[in-house]
Amino acid sequence: EAQVTQNPRYLITVTGKKLTVTCSQNMNHEYMSWYRQDPGLGLRQIYYSMNVEVTDKGDVPEGYKVSRKEKRNFPLILESPSPNQTSLYFCASSSSLGDNEQFFGPGTRLTVL
Amino acid sequence: SQKIEQNSEALNIQEGKTATLTCNYTNYSPAYLQWYRQDPGRGPVFLLLIRENEKEKRKERLKVTFDTTLKQSLFHITASQPADSATYLCALDMDSNYQLIWGAGTKLIIKP
Repeated sequence: EAQVTQNPRYLITVTGKKLTVTCSQNMNHEYMSWYRQDPGLGLRQIYYSMNVEVTDKGDVPEGYKVSRKEKRNFPLILESPSPNQTSLYFCASSSSLGDNEQFFGPGTRLTVL
Repeated sequence: SQKIEQNSEALNIQEGKTATLTCNYTNYSPAYLQWYRQDPGRGPVFLLLIRENEKEKRKERLKVTFDTTLKQSLFHITASQPADSATYLCALDMDSNYQLIWGAGTKLIIKP
């Protein structure tokens, strides 16, 4: 089954404790992206990657890091989480061969205390 | 910068009627405009895409229109059903590096 997976689905942590949210897709998509979704603000892009070893900042990159060592994986790293990073996070992928329709993961609900 | 406006108030529609959602944008027209459905706590799911040179696109009970003069897209669900209740997001594709600009979404409630 073609899908984007994220782990963990739910996470409660404390300020300053480094964490990683994993994202993996099995569709051989070149493009991957991380979004955060907050009430009333819609989806805001954090980072995106056009292909392996190619990453770039989105609209709200501060406090986040990413890497793209393999085509299928695109982890999101919070080196020192803060309460304002409490949000619902989505990973998405799309193919360069299509019309950029995005396939989303199930989401990770993060709470930073 | 480009901005998107979707009605932030929930739209309540009687089952069987046509639901119409609006997506307005400022500035220049996108190459593509996409519509997604999002259920609570889940990721958005792609529904339809319409290009700037297309006036209308249909898929089963769904219809999307794109008016570059009004800078507006309308999303219609005909013969609406309670199962159509969800939040609907529009996204603009400026044809640049695969990035999309997202609206905040409109919550649609179909009442039996």
